[in-house]
Amino acid sequence: GAVVSQHPSWVICKSGTSVKIECRSLDFQATTMFWYRQFPKQSLMLMATSNEGSKATYEQGVEKDKFLINHASLTLSTLTVTSAHPEDSSFYICSARTGLAGTTDTQYFGPGTRLTVL
Amino acid sequence: AQKITQTQPGMFVQEKEAVTLDCTYDTSDPSYGLFWYKQPSSGEMIFLIYQGSYDQQNATEGRYSLNFQKARKSANLVISASQLGDSAMYFCAMRELGGGSEKLVFGKGTKLTVNP
Repeated sequence: GAVVSQHPSWVICKSGTSVKIECRSLDFQATTMFWYRQFPKQSLMLMATSNEGSKATYEQGVEKDKFLINHASLTLSTLTVTSAHPEDSSFYICSARTGLAGTTDTQYFGPGTRLTVL
Repeated sequence: AQKITQTQPGMFVQEKEAVTLDCTYDTSDPSYGLFWYKQPSSGEMIFLIYQGSYDQQNATEGRYSLNFQKARKSANLVISASQLGDSAMYFCAMRELGGGSEKLVFGKGTKLTVNP
């Protein structure tokens, strides 16, 4: 159980274009999803917390107009990188929280999306 | 101040031996959860084990166990009988539960290499 998928797994785009990444919880409903960014050989950096039906909460320093997050349903959240530039190239990972108390209240991660902006 | 500290950038272990990956944390919240994740070269983050701050016993999951020393604020991961497939990055993470925060804060990770 607790499977999270991401699509696409990798994408290459030209500078100035927008890229949408989908995150789905396949076998559970996720009221909260999270978006992380990871640079090579570094840890995960939380970008934003996404709650179904409400606006995302962005971490300090993350441009909300550049990284648009939509949590349209209990199983789907999307991250759109608008007007992408080479410095946006990174590994983007989503996670979903099961929302259950105790040891099952765990964040399960998607397989990640590697974005390369030329 | 860092909330999660992993002091070992890299660790090596012989196949079939046990290895301990260190993690210390800093929080004033009496209610928190500690997590360990494995990240192979493919990039996916795999949940390994969880320890709640009020749990009386150390968590165990198969070959993984968590050596939880609350007074020292440490939550070391012990992998027994290492396998070649255990080679990966390992991240320790914490969630502070008292303030209703949902955030996971990660350490910088430890790269484990299992030698044949």
